Amino acid sequence: KNQVEQSPQSLIILEGKNCTLQCNYTVSPFSNLRWYKQDTGRGPVSLTIMTFSENTKSNGRYTATLDADTKQSSLHITASQLSDSASYICVVSDRSGGYQKVTFGIGTKLQVIP
Amino acid sequence: SAVISQKPSRDICQRGTSLTIQCQVDSQVTMMFWYRQQPGQSLTLIATANQGSEATYESGFVIDKFPISRPNLTFSTLTVSNMSPEDSSIYLCSVLGLADNNEQFFGPGTRLTVL
Repeated sequence: KNQVEQSPQSLIILEGKNCTLQCNYTVSPFSNLRWYKQDTGRGPVSLTIMTFSENTKSNGRYTATLDADTKQSSLHITASQLSDSASYICVVSDRSGGYQKVTFGIGTKLQVIP
Repeated sequence: SAVISQKPSRDICQRGTSLTIQCQVDSQVTMMFWYRQQPGQSLTLIATANQGSEATYESGFVIDKFPISRPNLTFSTLTVSNMSPEDSSIYLCSVLGLADNNEQFFGPGTRLTVL
């Protein structure tokens, strides 16, 4: 069964600090991995998308890494801001029979405090 | 990218009633989906909305409870029928972009509370 596990479940950090969120998956065959940011009461917004051959991708202060061998990904947030407070969801897609199916992690709830 | 709007953004409904949620996309897309996100849970796919044919439902979801319409490539509706408090959730419309990476975009969600 395809699974995506994220850690930690929740995290509180001081404004200006860095943090790293983890994602482990068992999805197969792997197609791509995406990180989304979901503000409270809003829909998820894409931060990064990585395919099998990519092992790092940046979007401003967000840097995602992918190790396809160990089936792990991380999202590193640099110099956190109050607006970074949100849930961060790891999403992994497989492509079985040409049809893309996605598996969602439960998310890491990040709170940035002054 | 695709810009998705949903109506209503939130609603409070009585047990036993039905609510229809609308999803409008600013461009023609092939794949449209409906998700449910219950409190503290990850997103769960309800169904794929197919243009011109019946929706494809995931295990645990049925057409009688969640009828879906997709009259064209930019619009879809999801109805939550005969609601109970267990249906309280955020309902999200989603589409796949046309680029090769199949980026997935989400609407802002409809927050439903059933009393």
